[in-house]
Amino acid sequence: DGGITQSPKYLFRKEGQNVTLSCEQNLNHDAMYWYRQDPGQGLRLIYYSQIVNDFQKGDIAEGYSVSREKKESFPLTVTSAQKNPTAFYLCASSLAHTMGIDTEAFFGQGTRLTVV
Amino acid sequence: ILNVEQSPQSLHVQEGDSTNFTCSFPSSNFYALHWYRWETAKSPEALFVMTLNGDEKKKGRISATLNTKEGYSYLYIKGSQPEDSATYLCAPRPGNNRKLIWGLGTSLAVNP
Repeated sequence: DGGITQSPKYLFRKEGQNVTLSCEQNLNHDAMYWYRQDPGQGLRLIYYSQIVNDFQKGDIAEGYSVSREKKESFPLTVTSAQKNPTAFYLCASSLAHTMGIDTEAFFGQGTRLTVV
Repeated sequence: ILNVEQSPQSLHVQEGDSTNFTCSFPSSNFYALHWYRWETAKSPEALFVMTLNGDEKKKGRISATLNTKEGYSYLYIKGSQPEDSATYLCAPRPGNNRKLIWGLGTSLAVNP
């Protein structure tokens, strides 16, 4: 079945360590997104990519990095520079957004990262 | 920053009740509005993508309307069922921006 897969579901890391969250999709979508959810806040965009080998910062990109070497994959690295990394992270994908056409996003089940 | 407000924040209804929620957003520079349902321990799932003023969309017992001139959208659930229990998120997309701006959601609990 087509879908978007995030792994792992739960992740624990020590403070100061970088950690990479995986996101894979087999929907043949050009666009992929990383969001962060914190209590009392709406989903906030970290990074997004409209096409392979290209990505843009979202609203809260500081302390994060991404790569888009393959269409199917958009891993997110939470670096030690991220001051408050403990959160729930959601990955999404969609058809490329073009003028006149707005399409739904498909989401993974999320990764809950806890930094101790 | 676009201000997106969803009301009510939470709602408890009995099975069979009909209910509705509101998503408010600035009416200027509107491009599209998305509605998603997010059940506990599952992925958010798209309900509707709406772009035109006066749009009305329906999926089973759930429907939505859009008023871009005054900046609001209503989501209606007719005859709520326990499986409708979820958080309902709206996300407008401003015209000059590729990014969705997410509301905090309305949490619906349907008691059997």
